[in-house]
Amino acid sequence: DGGITQSPKYLFRKEGQNVTLSCEQNLNHDAMYWYRQDPGQGLRLIYYSQIVNDFQKGDIAEGYSVSREKKESFPLTVTSAQKNPTAFYLCASSFSGQTNTEAFFGQGTRLTVV
Amino acid sequence: QQQVKQSPQSLIVQKGGISIINCAYENTAFDYFPWYQQFPGKGPALLIAIRPDVSEKKEGRFTISFNKSAKQFSLHIMDSQPGDSATYFCAASSPGNTPLVFGKGTRLSVIA
Repeated sequence: DGGITQSPKYLFRKEGQNVTLSCEQNLNHDAMYWYRQDPGQGLRLIYYSQIVNDFQKGDIAEGYSVSREKKESFPLTVTSAQKNPTAFYLCASSFSGQTNTEAFFGQGTRLTVV
Repeated sequence: QQQVKQSPQSLIVQKGGISIINCAYENTAFDYFPWYQQFPGKGPALLIAIRPDVSEKKEGRFTISFNKSAKQFSLHIMDSQPGDSATYFCAASSPGNTPLVFGKGTRLSVIA
């Protein structure tokens, strides 16, 4: 079955630690995105990538880093510089091109700082 | 600056009633307007989407109305059911497959 897989579903981080959230897709999509969801805030864009080995900052990139070494994978690292990392993180992907198409979302990773 | 403003924040509708959620945007370059449905603990899923060359699009009980001059679009859910209880997000994007910009969401509760 084609889709986007995020792992883990739940993640706990101690203060000062870096953690990496995994996102893999087998939809042959060129573009991949990371959003952060907080209650009442909607989805806010962290980083996105429209092609392998290239990515752009979104609206709230500070304290996060990404890589795009393979078309299928777009891992997100939440660094210790992110002061309030507790949130629901969503990865998405879509085809690239001049015409916008549907973005498919994974099931999310809930990150909690302990 | 919030590019897509969504209202209301929450909505309670009787079973069988009509649910209406509104969104307004500022960027006239936007040309793709999807609505996503999200259940608790899950990722959002596309419900219905519209492009500005049409004023209305209907899929089953779900209808998008689009007013280009007012820069507004809305989602209407006819014959609302308890299973429709979820959070709904409007979104918009510009040409070139730019990332979606989301509204803050509407939590819909359909009560029997």
